[in-house]
Amino acid sequence: EAGVVQSPRYKIIEKKQPVAFWCNPISGHNTLYWYLQNLGQGPELLIRYENEEAVDDSQLPKDRFSAERLKGVDSTLKIQPAELGDSAVYLCASSQAGGASYNEQFFGPGTRLTVL
Amino acid sequence: GDSVTQMEGPVTLSEEAFLTINCTYTATGYPSLFWYVQYPGEGLQLLLKATKADDKGSNKGFEATYRKETTSFHLEKGSVQVSDSAVYFCALSSNGQNFVFGPGTRLSVLP
Repeated sequence: EAGVVQSPRYKIIEKKQPVAFWCNPISGHNTLYWYLQNLGQGPELLIRYENEEAVDDSQLPKDRFSAERLKGVDSTLKIQPAELGDSAVYLCASSQAGGASYNEQFFGPGTRLTVL
Repeated sequence: GDSVTQMEGPVTLSEEAFLTINCTYTATGYPSLFWYVQYPGEGLQLLLKATKADDKGSNKGFEATYRKETTSFHLEKGSVQVSDSAVYFCALSSNGQNFVFGPGTRLSVLP
């Protein structure tokens, strides 16, 4: 079974340019997460989806970041315009349906963004 | 809010040495606790977990015990291998959906 797929793996852009990241979760996983991982730090949640609904986007900087998960499968995270401080690794993870019990998250390899 | 603190790295050990990576947490209620591992160039993988006090999670020779009285979840391994070189993240979840991660501890094992 394929894992969580992310593309691109690496992206270099100039500041003020737009950028988009794509994630394909594991088949059947209803919950999808986008995390930001700065160098030397742990992942920080940006947004969590249950199917196509964004159920927690409280940490998403909505002035420049946006995300969508059409049809409740693939997801795209966009930054427009990018700033120097956005340089980081953007991680996607998925898990089976939520609820009261814990469901293991599976992470993709991440997209490393460099803003020049 | 919830938070996780880990010992700073990098940690450098010789093969077959004993490993301890300290992790303490702050949370309301009784969260579930996790250790994730990130090998070079790969995504985070769940290493082990514990969902209630005094539970011991174990996998691949690694162990960690959920200590409510000291709010700790230290990772241990009796004999590390070169292949254990990676970054280790302690994490917690109070609701099973949202996770809070520590900053990670880089482990290097020398032959």
